[in-house]
Amino acid sequence: EPEVTQTPSHQVTQMGQEVILRCVPISNHLYFYWYRQILGQKVEFLVSFYNNEISEKSEIFDDQFSVERPDGSNFTLKIRSTKLEDSAMYFCASSEGRGSEKLFFGSGTQLSVL
Amino acid sequence: QKEVEQNSGPLSVPEGAIASLNCTYSDRGSQSFFWYRQYSGKSPELIMFIYSNGDKEDGRFTAQLNKASQYVSLLIRDSQPSDSATYLCAVNTANQAGTALIFGKGTTLSVSS
Repeated sequence: EPEVTQTPSHQVTQMGQEVILRCVPISNHLYFYWYRQILGQKVEFLVSFYNNEISEKSEIFDDQFSVERPDGSNFTLKIRSTKLEDSAMYFCASSEGRGSEKLFFGSGTQLSVL
Repeated sequence: QKEVEQNSGPLSVPEGAIASLNCTYSDRGSQSFFWYRQYSGKSPELIMFIYSNGDKEDGRFTAQLNKASQYVSLLIRDSQPSDSATYLCAVNTANQAGTALIFGKGTTLSVSS
């Protein structure tokens, strides 16, 4: 069964450092997303991406964040200067499009900012 | 502020019983509704979606939607210990790809054998 894959599974970084989280969405899906979940809290929307453009972004997705689809398969989330409060599980997701929002999530990257 | 509310639980049921999970949402314009299951330390897994008022059944799962009451529920029949997880209600205001899903905090279900 097709799945969304994310790397790395764990990332530890120092505050102020840049991190890049990587995702390979399901191959025939057109929409890509990043969500995050701080330990014990809700899953929160960060950004959606379609046709090489951001479709929607939340208030969390400020200038420190960026997304990119550098080639035909990868989808990345970059955090330029990490803060302690960026520590969370980051989930990539994808959907077919076609008028519905059935999301399929990757296994996540646990980001720890020290 | 669009909100999705769930009782955090834990909801404890014996094996074989019916588990009933509830969710309310604040945005009356919400169009599509989803139930995800999340095991501890894992990613959300889609188990049900519903767009229209009424019931929708899939195997042991039934989703119920009442837009007038802004209420969504999930029934799990013949609960199994493997159903023990956190169940996340999620709502989309547009039923359109590329828009945000708003998640509730989840209800933890514990099924005892």
